[in-house]
Amino acid sequence: GQQLNQSPQSMFIQEGEDVSMNCTSSSIFNTWLWYKQDPGEGPVLLIALYKAGELTSNGRLTAQFGITRKDSFLNISASIPSDVGIYFCAGPSFTGNQFYFGTGTSLTVIP
Amino acid sequence: GAVVSQHPSWVICKSGTSVKIECRSLDFQATTMFWYRQFPKQSLMLMATSNEGSKATYEQGVEKDKFLINHASLTLSTLTVTSAHPEDSSFYICSASRDRRSSYNEQFFGPGTRLTVL
Repeated sequence: GQQLNQSPQSMFIQEGEDVSMNCTSSSIFNTWLWYKQDPGEGPVLLIALYKAGELTSNGRLTAQFGITRKDSFLNISASIPSDVGIYFCAGPSFTGNQFYFGTGTSLTVIP
Repeated sequence: GAVVSQHPSWVICKSGTSVKIECRSLDFQATTMFWYRQFPKQSLMLMATSNEGSKATYEQGVEKDKFLINHASLTLSTLTVTSAHPEDSSFYICSASRDRRSSYNEQFFGPGTRLTVL
């Protein structure tokens, strides 16, 4: 399967700080998805990106579809305690029938 | 809309027993359902893809005789872990997708089932 690598692997930040994380792939994707997983729960879709260069926001979250189509970035502004969780990028296969998930970035927000 | 439930949310069983996990799409008909396994601090790994009324397609390395999947209706898929062993302890997550509405089949994820095998 496709390898999607995320960095950093984990982050410990103070409440109010901004967060940046990225996801890179060895292959191009036509769609990039960003999910958040709370402890003991399933992933929830945050943002979907559909074309290279696209910049999309969802509240305090902003994600970008890299120009090369091999990477994507997620930023969280003014972090709050409920931002705690694991953030996964994902890319659909060529047929769109299955997803490849990234390695995940674990975020801890210190009040 | 697009809510997916799983039952049970957690289960503890003895080694050698079988465990069934249910995945239901509550407010839509799911043409395809997916089963994932997630070990602590790791990503989601796709185990199998199932379409209603047909046999599941298993990913490489997943034993189909050990992980039985039944997609009996458009709203229900079950995963049965047969003869469970401690190494099968994991977080099992299902997802469901409805008719394709974009460039990919959007998946809606269930809340997961924590399986602990003693």
